[in-house]
Amino acid sequence: EPEVTQTPSHQVTQMGQEVILRCVPISNHLYFYWYRQILGQKVEFLVSFYNNEISEKSEIFDDQFSVERPDGSNFTLKIRSTKLEDSAMYFCASTLQYTGELFFGEGSRLTVL
Amino acid sequence: GESVGLHLPTLSVQEGDNSIINCAYSNSASDYFIWYKQESGKGPQFIIDIRSNMDKRQGQRVTVLLNKTVKHLSLQIAATQPGDSAVYFCAERPFSGGYNKLIFGAGTRLAVHP
Repeated sequence: EPEVTQTPSHQVTQMGQEVILRCVPISNHLYFYWYRQILGQKVEFLVSFYNNEISEKSEIFDDQFSVERPDGSNFTLKIRSTKLEDSAMYFCASTLQYTGELFFGEGSRLTVL
Repeated sequence: GESVGLHLPTLSVQEGDNSIINCAYSNSASDYFIWYKQESGKGPQFIIDIRSNMDKRQGQRVTVLLNKTVKHLSLQIAATQPGDSAVYFCAERPFSGGYNKLIFGAGTRLAVHP
C-alpha cells in the first residue's frame, strides 16, 4: 500500500540551527501538507502546497519556515533558525484530490535544545 | 471533551463492548468532518468522514454521527478490540478553510481492556 515517508524520524538540534525535514508523498498525489503536534497536544496545520506554491499557511508558519518541492518527489520543510518552541512532531501529509482523506506520514520528531 | 496539555480524556472499555467517543467542534461554517486514529508513535490514520449535509455515516464497525444544531460529532466503534486502543481525534474543515486546512480537536484516548 502506498505511503507517505518521512526522514529523519528524530532530529536533535541546537537552538538557532537550521533544520530540514524531508517527506516523500504518495507518488500520484497533488496536494501536500505539513502539520505539527507538540507533545500531548493537538495536531496543528502549518501549510498546504499545490501546483508548486503555497496554497495556505497558518500563523505558526512565519518567516522562519519554508517549504519546497525540489525534484517532483520530495517535499521539504525548512526551519531557518530553530527555537525551543519548535520542538514537536512534524507530520507530512498528501492527498490526491481536494478531499479530507489526508494520508499522513509517521512523523519526524524535532527536539530543539 | 477538551483537554489541556498531556491530560487527554480517556475512555476505558472492555473488549467486545461498544465505544462512543464525542467531540464538540467550534465552527458552525465547517462543512466536512473527519475522525482520525493515532497510535503511539505514528501519524494520524483516517477512519471515517462525513459531510455537513449528512447526519450519519457508517463504515466497517464504525459510525459517525453529526449534530449540527449543537456542533457535536461522535464516533461509535462496535465490538471494540484491543487494536482499537489509540488516541482518536476529530477534525473539521471550515468552509472557508480550503485545501484541507483541518482543525483538529484535542483527542480522546481509548483504552481497551481484555
